[in-house]
Amino acid sequence: AQKITQTQPGMFVQEKEAVTLDCTYDTSDPSYGLFWYKQPSSGEMIFLIYQGSYDQQNATEGRYSLNFQKARKSANLVISASQLGDSAMYFCAMREYDYGGATNKLIFGTGTLLAVQP
Amino acid sequence: KAGVTQTPRYLIKTRGQQVTLSCSPISGHRSVSWYQQTPGQGLQFLFEYFSETQRNKGNFPGRFSGRQFSNSRSEMNVSTLELGDSALYLCASSDRTPSPETQYFGPGTRLLVL
Repeated sequence: AQKITQTQPGMFVQEKEAVTLDCTYDTSDPSYGLFWYKQPSSGEMIFLIYQGSYDQQNATEGRYSLNFQKARKSANLVISASQLGDSAMYFCAMREYDYGGATNKLIFGTGTLLAVQP
Repeated sequence: KAGVTQTPRYLIKTRGQQVTLSCSPISGHRSVSWYQQTPGQGLQFLFEYFSETQRNKGNFPGRFSGRQFSNSRSEMNVSTLELGDSALYLCASSDRTPSPETQYFGPGTRLLVL
């Protein structure tokens, strides 16, 4: 079965500093997709970044980058130059695969609450 | 493009009642998925609809059902509400052709069951 593990329940970071949020995954499928979402207190899940298992390079989207280490089965999110507005819950997720291939079912980790301090 | 919209945003019901939540996907997206988020169980997949057909279902009792209309709008229904159904219900849409793409979530409906 596929599983996502986020071991950091909460983290503090100073404004303008970089922060790394950890995510490890477990799957026996050679093909998989990994996502990071941000959830502010309002509740909406905001898509941040995606990494496919066959992507040769680490994904980047503005201040977000994904440190993808396939052999270690980790997909850590790096936020550079933290801003106060980055304070939120962050979820790592994996797309589930079944006999028909990729599905739209996402398996989520438990999340990391990030607090950016001025 | 407008994002995913969900109505209502907040809802209070009592045990035994039923509730219907609505989700309008991003224009052009034909796949709609539903998730339940609770402090105890986290984010759990309920079901996915594509072209009016249920494609995938999570491990929830039959009290949870859904449907999708020809315009891709989706509704989910929970019958005989229980206290444990109190949760944030999130809807996500994506363009499933030719393969599943990134899902974009709506703001959610917060359901409180008293």
